[in-house]
Amino acid sequence: AQTVTQSQPEMSVQEAETVTLSCTYDTSESDYYLFWYKQPPSRQMILVIRQEAYKQQNATENRFSVNFQKAAKSFSLKISDSQLGDAAMYFCAYSPYTSGTYKYIFGTGTRLKVLA
Amino acid sequence: EAQVTQNPRYLITVTGKKLTVTCSQNMNHEYMSWYRQDPGLGLRQIYYSMNVEVTDKGDVPEGYKVSRKEKRNFPLILESPSPNQTSLYFCASSSDRDRRRGELFFGEGSRLTVL
Repeated sequence: AQTVTQSQPEMSVQEAETVTLSCTYDTSESDYYLFWYKQPPSRQMILVIRQEAYKQQNATENRFSVNFQKAAKSFSLKISDSQLGDAAMYFCAYSPYTSGTYKYIFGTGTRLKVLA
Repeated sequence: EAQVTQNPRYLITVTGKKLTVTCSQNMNHEYMSWYRQDPGLGLRQIYYSMNVEVTDKGDVPEGYKVSRKEKRNFPLILESPSPNQTSLYFCASSSDRDRRRGELFFGEGSRLTVL
């Protein structure tokens, strides 16, 4: 079965510091996508970053970057220079690319607190 | 503005009273899906649709129905709601056609309470 595991229910980081959120997944597929979504208190789901499994280069989006280890099935999110607005629930998600990206599996989420 | 719109945003109902949560997207996306979010469980996929008249079960389909008669709409139907369907529901759409392949565009969520 395909699963996504986020082992940190809650994390804290000081403003301007760096924090890493972990995510592991299990799959036998070779082609898939991985995502990190942010859910602030407004509950709107926002894409933070996406990674295509066939790309070895780690994705980056401004202060957000990932460490994608395909063999280890690990997909961690690093937030640099943390800001108060980064406080949210973060979900890791996996989508196998079989005939299209329509099946998604989410982790249970990590709540990030940013301390001033 | 590209968006996914779902209604109602909040609903309190009673056990057994049929209800429908509507979802509409204006991005011409071929894929649409429904999720429920529960504390400690993350988001779980209920149903998804690959195109008009093509739907399939996700991980937690029991007690739900969907239909996709038009490309833009994907309503979620609870024929006989029960208290264990109290949850936060999200509709989302996605496409494989552009550089944002696979990115889910979410609606704002519908908080459903079944008494």
